Amino acid sequence: AQKVTQAQTEISVVEKEDVTLDCVYETRDTTYYLFWYKQPPSGELVFLIRRNSFDEQNEISGRYSWNFQKSTSSFNFTITASQVVDSAVYFCALSEPYSGGYQKVTFGTGTKLQVIP
Amino acid sequence: GAVVSQHPSRVICKSGTSVKIECRSLDFQATTMFWYRQFPKQSLMLMATSNEGSKATYEQGVEKDKFLINHASLTLSTLTVTSAHPEDSSFYICSATYWDGGYTFGSGTRLTVV
Repeated sequence: AQKVTQAQTEISVVEKEDVTLDCVYETRDTTYYLFWYKQPPSGELVFLIRRNSFDEQNEISGRYSWNFQKSTSSFNFTITASQVVDSAVYFCALSEPYSGGYQKVTFGTGTKLQVIP
Repeated sequence: GAVVSQHPSRVICKSGTSVKIECRSLDFQATTMFWYRQFPKQSLMLMATSNEGSKATYEQGVEKDKFLINHASLTLSTLTVTSAHPEDSSFYICSATYWDGGYTFGSGTRLTVV
């Protein structure tokens, strides 16, 4: 069974600090996708990134960067120079093929990030 | 592209009544849609998988007679919470998978049963 662990329940940082959100996953499949989503207080899920299991290249998008390490089954997310607008709950998720022929997504428990001005 | 529209965003209903939530894929055909439930300060839990033209597949512990799912077309799936009670108050989110394996989510529906 697939599982996603986000050990950090809540993190508080001061504005402009860097912060890394950890994500560790378990899966028996060799083909899968990993995601990060942001959920602001309004509730909608904002897509941040999707990475397939065959692409271990790290990615940078502005202040956001992701480190995918298959050897440790981790997909960590770093925000550099954090801003107050980054305050939200961040979910890591894993999808893998399901018996019905589609992808089934499992979410981690989320990390609540609070950026203090 | 790959936009899912979910409606309504908020609904308040009286205990014992039924509420329907709609999820539409606007610019793609969604053979499969998913319904999640999120309790305050908790993660998203998959309730059921909705396949166009067939019965939904419910996760263990989800009452299929209470949470009716209909996926009558390739662009519309509905979740009806029947005989709603205060404990059904929650945030419900739909999602759909599209051709390249991506996942897109609706904006969610906050249900309050009074």
